[in-house]
This record gives sequence, C-alpha cells and structure tokens, in this order.
Amino acid sequence: SYALTQPPSVSVAPGQTARITCGGNNIETKNVHWYQQRPGQAPVLVVYDDTERPSGIPQRFSGSKSRHTATLTISRVEVGDEADYYCQVWDTNTVHVIFGGGTTVTVL
Amino acid sequence: QVQLQQSGPGLVKPSQTLSLTCDISGDSVFSNRAAWNWIRQSPSRGLEWLGRTYYRSKWFNDYNVSVKSRITITPDTSKNQFSLQLNSVTPEDTAVYFCARGDYDSSGYPGFFASWGQGIRVTVSS
Repeated sequence: SYALTQPPSVSVAPGQTARITCGGNNIETKNVHWYQQRPGQAPVLVVYDDTERPSGIPQRFSGSKSRHTATLTISRVEVGDEADYYCQVWDTNTVHVIFGGGTTVTVL
Repeated sequence: QVQLQQSGPGLVKPSQTLSLTCDISGDSVFSNRAAWNWIRQSPSRGLEWLGRTYYRSKWFNDYNVSVKSRITITPDTSKNQFSLQLNSVTPEDTAVYFCARGDYDSSGYPGFFASWGQGIRVTVSS
C-alpha cells in the first residue's frame, strides 16, 4: 500500500524558514495536501493541490513538489506556527486517503 | 461556510458498536461537489481515514480495508447529517474521531478536507 514519510520533528528559530518534507513513491503524480494541527484541535487545511492556499491562510505557507518529495515551507516562522503538520494524498490504486505520520514543528 | 457538529458517546464497551453523528450546516448531504468522511486519530495509528459516503444520483460508500468488515457510514437526508457505526470494537479502536467534508482536487479526486468537525474522543473500555 502507498505510504507517505515525514520527519518526526523540525526545529526552527523565529523569523527563519521551516521546511517539512513528505516522501512518497512517484508523489509527483499525486495531488498533495497539507494540514496544521494544534493540540486538542481538528486539523486545518493550509495547502491543497500541492501549492494552493485556502482563503485565510497566510502567504508564509507554501507548497512545492518534486518527483518523490513534497515540501511545505513556512517562511518567517512565528511562535504561533508551533503545531503538528501532516501531508495527505488520495491513492487511486486503493481508493484510499493516505496521511503522512506527521511532523512536529518547534519554534526555538 | 460549512460547519460540522459531531455528537455521540465518549465511552463504548468492548464488542459493542461505536455510533457517532455529524450534523452538516452550510451545505447539503446531497451535494455533488462533496463527500462526507470519517477520520480517526490515535497515537499508535496517527490520522487514519475510515471511509466516506456521497451522492451522485444515488448513494455510494468507500471504506478503508482495515475496517471494511465492521464499518457503516450512512446519510440521514431528513436531518442533513451522516453517521458512523463501527461494530465489534476493541481497545484498538480508542481514538479521537472526526467527521470531515471531502472536496475534489484539481485531478477530480475526492482529495482534501477543508471542513472538519470538532472531534470526539472515544474510549473503548469495560
């Protein structure tokens, strides 16, 4: 079955750039979506279709993708960006939604 | 703006049935631009998609193979809501359960979730 791999944690200083990777076989053929989840809350969509931002999401959040890796980039990181981040795709072979294991972003 | 409000018990005994409901406001369960999903989250399994129901001239369902033999997702068109039933639960089914509206991505797949319920923590224990 299809799997998405994320690093467990990323640490970044305020004002710097955080990059969260999401690895998957031939991920370039899939649309990748990203969620932010703060403790005790439901996930919030921050990027969809690889690079698109829902209304209300700051431009500091951006997405990109290469052949086997998708990346969520958070520019000018703020303390409020501390959260877990998850990537997600739709697997056409199994007709299943697949989530990555999540990455905890810590702002030092 | 779509809002989803979940309800249901927070404690279920082993071997019994877990039942949750998700009320939809700001959209219709009949929407041909959406699918209505259940997702759960636990420390051991992370975020796990359970299944969905959607209407395209008739009702369809897709389920995760991991729970396919035990799960039913049904719409209640009179109340504009949908529900989850998970049979024969074990402590492994202890998790926070979310309902979510599935939107279609640029490839036409029911790709992403822009609207979520608040989540309900369900514990399976005697």
